[in-house]
Amino acid sequence: DAGVIQSPRHEVTEMGQEVTLRCKPISGHDYLFWYRQTMMRGLELLIYFNNNVPIDDSGMPEDRFSAKMPNASFSTLKIQPSEPRDSAVYFCASSFTGNTIYFGEGSWLTVV
Amino acid sequence: RKEVEQDPGPFNVPEGATVAFNCTYSNSASQSFFWYRQDCRKEPKLLMSVYSSGNEDGRFTAQLNRASQYISLLIRDSKLSDSATYLCVVNSNPSNTGKLIFGQGTTLQVKP
Repeated sequence: DAGVIQSPRHEVTEMGQEVTLRCKPISGHDYLFWYRQTMMRGLELLIYFNNNVPIDDSGMPEDRFSAKMPNASFSTLKIQPSEPRDSAVYFCASSFTGNTIYFGEGSWLTVV
Repeated sequence: RKEVEQDPGPFNVPEGATVAFNCTYSNSASQSFFWYRQDCRKEPKLLMSVYSSGNEDGRFTAQLNRASQYISLLIRDSKLSDSATYLCVVNSNPSNTGKLIFGQGTTLQVKP
């Protein structure tokens, strides 16, 4: 069975550019999460959706970050404009009923 | 105070040793608890859920102490392949079932 699929796996971009990260959750899962991981701050929950509706976006660092889930099989996390401090691994994860969550392989973002 | 706190380690132990990690959480109303494992440059994966009565899975034992608000993970007869970062995960808000908060992780190095 396909797991959570994220793209791109790696991205290097220049400061000020727009970055769009994509995620396809596991089919049938009703929760979708976006996490960010850095050495300094660990794994931080940015936002999560239930049945395509954003439930809690209190972890989104600032207005430069936005996330959407237009349907049950697709979500995006957008950073505009990007800054060097946004460099991190961004994980998308999904779950059924909101308990055990399954992660994608992550999108490794470097902003120079 | 962080919602979920772990000793980052690293814990360096010889093969065959028994090692234990603790994790404290701040929200006394938390209901769901998990241990995830993360290998270097990989995504976190579920190791085991933590039940109120404690539970065991092979060489791994998880315990919950609600009075002191901590969970623990015991690894017996450690193997080289157990080397990884172990993440404590707590559902910090039972009325908000999807909000899983991760600790910073405890790094384990098992040496030959």
